[in-house]
Amino acid sequence: DQQVKQNSPSLSVQEGRISILNCDYTNSMFDYFLWYKKYPAEGPTFLISISSIKDKNEDGRFTVFLNKSAKHLSLHIVPSQPGDSAVYFCAVPGAGSYQLTFGKGTKLSVIP
Amino acid sequence: DAGVIQSPRHEVTEMGQEVTLRCKPISGHDYLFWYRQTMMRGLELLIYFNNNVPIDDSGMPEDRFSAKMPNASFSTLKIQPSEPRDSAVYFCASSLGGGIAYGYTFGSGTRLTVV
Repeated sequence: DQQVKQNSPSLSVQEGRISILNCDYTNSMFDYFLWYKKYPAEGPTFLISISSIKDKNEDGRFTVFLNKSAKHLSLHIVPSQPGDSAVYFCAVPGAGSYQLTFGKGTKLSVIP
Repeated sequence: DAGVIQSPRHEVTEMGQEVTLRCKPISGHDYLFWYRQTMMRGLELLIYFNNNVPIDDSGMPEDRFSAKMPNASFSTLKIQPSEPRDSAVYFCASSLGGGIAYGYTFGSGTRLTVV
């Protein structure tokens, strides 16, 4: 089964600085990797994805990097804003391809 | 579009009672997923449907859990009888065509507390 690990439960960053959230995975067979953001009392919302044929995908302040040889995914937020404070999940396709397996999340706090 | 609608938002029930959680997916979406979030296990997939047909229910923890999708606009997740360890936030999500590249749309969740 696909496994995905987010080893940092929490991260604090000063407003305006860079936030880097990390994710490791164990199976290199799938085509896409995704990041979700979750605010309290809301469902997760899709943030950004990357295809396995790329090593970088950028959307405004958010950039995802994929290192296939290391089986490592990272999300960079530059510059960080207080509204970015949320829990961030990385997600990878599971055994059935149409289901996503989520990491346990990293809680980002951006300090004004 | 109103997004994925879940009801109720909060449910408190006594152990042994039946609990029914409801979900209305986004119109036109052909995949529906039920997830459960706990501190210990994070977000885990319980079951998913494609065109109202259950495809994979291997994540359903026990026979006490059942899910149905009688039509394209409605799904239920039922727990009977409920136990305190079922306390969690239950999310429903829908997508068009599996949504792997562009993700799912989640509802706001139902927070279930079994006392």
